[in-house]
Amino acid sequence: DVKVTQSSRYLVKRTGEKVFLECVQDMDHENMFWYRQDPGLGLRLIYFSYDVKMKEKGDIPEGYSVSREKKERFSLILESASTNQTSMYLCASSLRRGAGDTQYFGPGTRLTVL
Amino acid sequence: AQSVTQLGSHVSVSEGALVLLRCNYSSSVPPYLFWYVQYPNQGLQLLLKYTSAATLVKGINGFEAEFKKSETSFHLTKPSAHMRDAAEYFCAVILYGGSQGNLIFGKGTKLSVKP
Repeated sequence: DVKVTQSSRYLVKRTGEKVFLECVQDMDHENMFWYRQDPGLGLRLIYFSYDVKMKEKGDIPEGYSVSREKKERFSLILESASTNQTSMYLCASSLRRGAGDTQYFGPGTRLTVL
Repeated sequence: AQSVTQLGSHVSVSEGALVLLRCNYSSSVPPYLFWYVQYPNQGLQLLLKYTSAATLVKGINGFEAEFKKSETSFHLTKPSAHMRDAAEYFCAVILYGGSQGNLIFGKGTKLSVKP
């Protein structure tokens, strides 16, 4: 079974702190994704990566950055957390770059910024 | 541009009743379509996907969906609801082009099952 793990299930941070959310997949997938999920808005893509050291902006990249130094690990960074970044963050991975590949999701990190 | 519309943010059914969750898509090319389920405090799990093979797709937990090109729909059904089906369901479509096949999600439908 594909396993996508996220470093924390719940996280509480203060405004202005630098926040790291870590995601690891164990199936040698090429693609990795970060989404945020808010009630009534569904899932929105923040960043994705299709190879080590490669990254592309999704629909809502402002206020976020990412890092992919190893194939299995994809980190989401909030340089200076703000209250409007309080949300559920979901990481996903898929096997290859072709369309139609299933994305597998981690359990999510619920981030609260005070 | 591709998009997904889920009709009804909340659906409530009685245990044993038919479940019907609606999804319409817009796409200029034949799409790949997905249904995911999210149980409380968990990530998303794939229920089923349509990839241009059979138009009736069977998934896990007794769910199925039918691709209807003429109606641009991909509605999710289950003949008899169980309490454990209470969750949020997301329809998604693949976006083609230079974005590596990214998923576009609907806003979700929360399913409640009454005893």
